[in-house]
Amino acid sequence: AQKVTQAQTEISVVEKEDVTLDCVYETRDTTYYLFWYKQPPSGELVFLIRRNSFDEQNEISGRYSWNFQKSTSSFNFTITASQVVDSAVYFCALSENTNAGKSTFGDGTTLTVKP
Amino acid sequence: DVKVTQSSRYLVKRTGEKVFLECVQDMDHENMFWYRQDPGLGLRLIYFSYDVKMKEKGDIPEGYSVSREKKERFSLILESASTNQTSMYLCASSKGQGGMNTEAFFGQGTRLTVV
Repeated sequence: AQKVTQAQTEISVVEKEDVTLDCVYETRDTTYYLFWYKQPPSGELVFLIRRNSFDEQNEISGRYSWNFQKSTSSFNFTITASQVVDSAVYFCALSENTNAGKSTFGDGTTLTVKP
Repeated sequence: DVKVTQSSRYLVKRTGEKVFLECVQDMDHENMFWYRQDPGLGLRLIYFSYDVKMKEKGDIPEGYSVSREKKERFSLILESASTNQTSMYLCASSKGQGGMNTEAFFGQGTRLTVV
């Protein structure tokens, strides 16, 4: 069975601080996909990134960066120089690679960025 | 602009009522999903469909059924609503034959209250 753990339930930072959201996963599959989604107060989850299990390169997109380490089964997300608009619930998700694959979501981390 | 639209943002129903939650996507996606989101429990998969008239049980299908008569529409049915089905319901769609290993697009959610 798959499992995704986001140990940080809530994080509060002051604007311009860097913040890292942790994600640890469990799977028996050798091929799988990892995702991060953002859920702002409006409620609609927004896709941020997808990474497959064979691609351990870290990725940077503007102020966002992701660190994928298979050795520790982690896929952490860092926001540099946080802004108030980054306040949201962030979900890490794991998807199996089958024809009818499903995603397992973590419980989410609520990030509050204060001005 | 791609879109997943859920028919209602807020819904209040009485215990024992039959409830229909509708979801429509305009991206010609093969896969559609229904999740419920509860505080501290993240997103849990109720049902998903990877083709018209096809459906698969997710992790918590009890008390729910689904219908997919057309590719763009995926309905969630609560046969006899109960108070423990009070929740936020999220519909999602993704491209590809089966699976959620591509990015998913989410609707804005339906907050259902059963009284």
